[in-house]
Amino acid sequence: GQQLNQSPQSMFIQEGEDVSMNCTSSSIFNTWLWYKQDPGEGPVLLIALYKAGELTSNGRLTAQFGITRKDSFLNISASIPSDVGIYFCAGLETSGSRLTFGEGTQLTVNP
Amino acid sequence: NAGVTQTPKFQVLKTGQSMTLQCAQDMNHNSMYWYRQDPGMGLRLIYYSASEGTTDKGEVPNGYNVSRLNKREFSLRLESAAPSQTSVYFCASSPRVSREQYFGPGTRLTVT
Repeated sequence: GQQLNQSPQSMFIQEGEDVSMNCTSSSIFNTWLWYKQDPGEGPVLLIALYKAGELTSNGRLTAQFGITRKDSFLNISASIPSDVGIYFCAGLETSGSRLTFGEGTQLTVNP
Repeated sequence: NAGVTQTPKFQVLKTGQSMTLQCAQDMNHNSMYWYRQDPGMGLRLIYYSASEGTTDKGEVPNGYNVSRLNKREFSLRLESAAPSQTSVYFCASSPRVSREQYFGPGTRLTVT
């Protein structure tokens, strides 16, 4: 099936630093989603993107739908300890009906 | 609004036993999904229901059955549990298949 390449797999940063992560696909997507999962919980939707080039913010989080429609980026500014968790990207192909998930980026924030 | 709810939260089964995982959503969504999450494998789609009255196989359907009981409820059944089905199971719903999905809190299943 379709694969999403999400990078990096893990990040260790200091509180206050900015964070960037991205997902790439070999196919064109018409929807990109970003989720965060805390230990023992279900994924929580952070940002949804539906148009190429779209840039959307949610507080300190900003995500972009790449203009090639094959990639997406998530940035977190001024990280805080509660940002710790696993961040997943998910994409929906133009011809598809099911989301494909990346394998996640594990974020650790040191106080 | 409770969003997506799942029961039970935890379950231990012996090999060969059967059980049904329950999922309900109160967002009036048309589409519902069942995923399993395993370490290093990410989220994998087991079955989904695009709308009430329809169900379709996902990436890993073997060993599972589903029922879309009504618009709110979508259950996942393991007829004869196997240790390979030890996993965390998540239910999700979306307004329709091409839109964002909202997840429940998960069911942690161990098969011994």
